[in-house]
This record gives sequence, C-alpha cells and structure tokens, in this order.
Amino acid sequence: AAGVIQSPRHLIKEKRETATLKCYPIPRHDTVYWYQQGPGQDPQFLISFYEKMQSDKGSIPDRFSAQQFSDYHSELNMSSLELGDSALYFCASRRLAGGTRGTQYFGPGTRLLVL
Amino acid sequence: AQKITQTQPGMFVQEKEAVTLDCTYDTSDPSYGLFWYKQPSSGEMIFLIYQGSYDQQNATEGRYSLNFQKARKSANLVISASQLGDSAMYFCAMREGDGGFKTIFGAGTRLFVKA
Repeated sequence: AAGVIQSPRHLIKEKRETATLKCYPIPRHDTVYWYQQGPGQDPQFLISFYEKMQSDKGSIPDRFSAQQFSDYHSELNMSSLELGDSALYFCASRRLAGGTRGTQYFGPGTRLLVL
Repeated sequence: AQKITQTQPGMFVQEKEAVTLDCTYDTSDPSYGLFWYKQPSSGEMIFLIYQGSYDQQNATEGRYSLNFQKARKSANLVISASQLGDSAMYFCAMREGDGGFKTIFGAGTRLFVKA
C-alpha cells in the first residue's frame, strides 16, 4: 500500500539558511499534519491542513510557514534556521471523511541538522 | 486542556511474555481518539492501534490490544507474546473531536525485550 512520502530524508543546513520540506500524503487523504521531534522528545504538533486550508496550528515558530497545494502535497518552509531547529520532522496524512477511522499515518520523516 | 501522561520511561519484558504500557489522558471533549505508535531506533513512526471514545469494545490489532477504561481516562497498550523486534519507543497520543486535527503525544515509554 502507498505510504506518506517525505523529501528530502536528510538535510544539512547552516544557521540563518532556509529549508523546504515536502510531504506527499497517501492517495485520497485530504488532511496533512506536520510534527517536530527533537532528540529524545515526543513529537510536537506544528500545523495541519484540510482540503488545502490550514485547520489547526500548534507550536510552530513564526519563522516557519506551510501550505497544502491543489494536489494535496504540502511543504514546510523554514527560514532563519537556528541550531534548535535540528530535529526529525514528520508529516502525517489522514482521510477525514470516514474510511480509516481517523487514523493518521506518518511518513518516514526528514532529519534536519542545522550547523 | 488535553494532556497525555505516560509514567513509565522504560520497561523490560521477557521474550514471549505479555507487557502493559500505561497511558492516561485528560480532556474535556466527549469525543476524542486515542492512538498508540511505535518508534524503533530507525526513527519511523508506526501506527499500532486506535480507540475512539465512543467505541464500546476495546480495540485489538493482532498482538496489540488497548485496555480502554473511559471512567479512569486510561488507554493502556497490551502487547502479547513479546518479540525481540518489539524493542522500541512507544507513544500514546490523543486527538480531540471527530473532526479534530491537533494531536498531542505522551513522553513515550521505551520497551526493552530480553531474550
């Protein structure tokens, strides 16, 4: 079965640079979530989109922005990167309208290292 | 505010035995969903089991079952016949509302399966 695809899988950036993470949800999934997981920590909800509109917002810094496109893929844009942004970034998708009983499935994650 | 508590930072279990991972939650929303995810050392987040707040029966998925005690606000994960490959971090998570988006995670429990 098709899974959530994230790219790139690994990314190394310098401080103050920008980064763009991409997420391709499972086909027919209409909802996308972004999470940040620091070393040894639990995943923190950043932001979610339903039908291309922002549906909820968590602890996402103002330096970050995200959107969901017409083909339902999503991009997380991160600017003025800081050392503390080094983390594993997960995208998850879900089909809100029935089907999977609300389960969200995670992608493999993008491991971002800021030097 | 919603909250997830996992009080066991680490657990040991003998191979082939059953183990229970504790999870308690707090929410004022009568409609919510509870999830368990497994995160092996490779980092991916693997969905294990889902329990809806209105589900009458405890969820089961193969060797995983969820001991849902609504009045006590607990959703413990039971893994039967533990295998070496079950060694991983386990996260309990909750999402409020049928159409809710924000999902919060507990701090996780690291399970070690001994041969």
